[in-house]
Amino acid sequence: SAVISQKPSRDICQRGTSLTIQCQVDSQVTMMFWYRQQPGQSLTLIATANQGSEATYESGFVIDKFPISRPNLTFSTLTVSNMSPEDSSIYLCSVEEGSGGNGYTFGSGTRLTVV
Amino acid sequence: LAKTTQPISMDSYEGQEVNITCSHNNIATNDYITWYQQFPSQGPRFIIQGYKTKVTNEVASLFIPADRKSSTLSLPRVSLSDTAVYYCLVGVPFNDYKLSFGAGTTVTVRA
Repeated sequence: SAVISQKPSRDICQRGTSLTIQCQVDSQVTMMFWYRQQPGQSLTLIATANQGSEATYESGFVIDKFPISRPNLTFSTLTVSNMSPEDSSIYLCSVEEGSGGNGYTFGSGTRLTVV
Repeated sequence: LAKTTQPISMDSYEGQEVNITCSHNNIATNDYITWYQQFPSQGPRFIIQGYKTKVTNEVASLFIPADRKSSTLSLPRVSLSDTAVYYCLVGVPFNDYKLSFGAGTTVTVRA
């Protein structure tokens, strides 16, 4: 299965600043997904990132707040902009396994604390 | 995507079998049932996927009745390391790529 490297693993940031999270996959994938998991909660899809096109955002998430880049088939970044304490969450990237029968692989996540 | 309902939590002891049932009354003809496991400070991990009857792998078994309106994840002889949150998802692989996670079931295994 695909191996995902996500950086940073955790960070503590000041409000009003921005943080860029990197997601590197060891194989080429068409779509990459970004999720948010707030403390004690389930996962919520932020956006889907296809290489060579604009990311598709889910309801409640906007590009100005969560800009995404997808420069090639193995890499993506998610930026959390103008952060507030409400943005404190775990952010995870994910890819679908090639055959579809083995589900999705997730990175280990980035634990973000905004102070 | 079909909505799923799972118990919020379950307790068990080492060596016991744990069965988690997920209800998905509105499952569509092409939908598959997939289970994920999530440990603290980690991303979810794929456990098993099935369409009907029974599927077994080295980690778990998945039982799906004929009407497919529910499914049961069975974890044999659990250990302390099986303490995690387990999520049931329903959708079509590759087509329904927007995974919709419910609240999940927190399984706590005690010594």
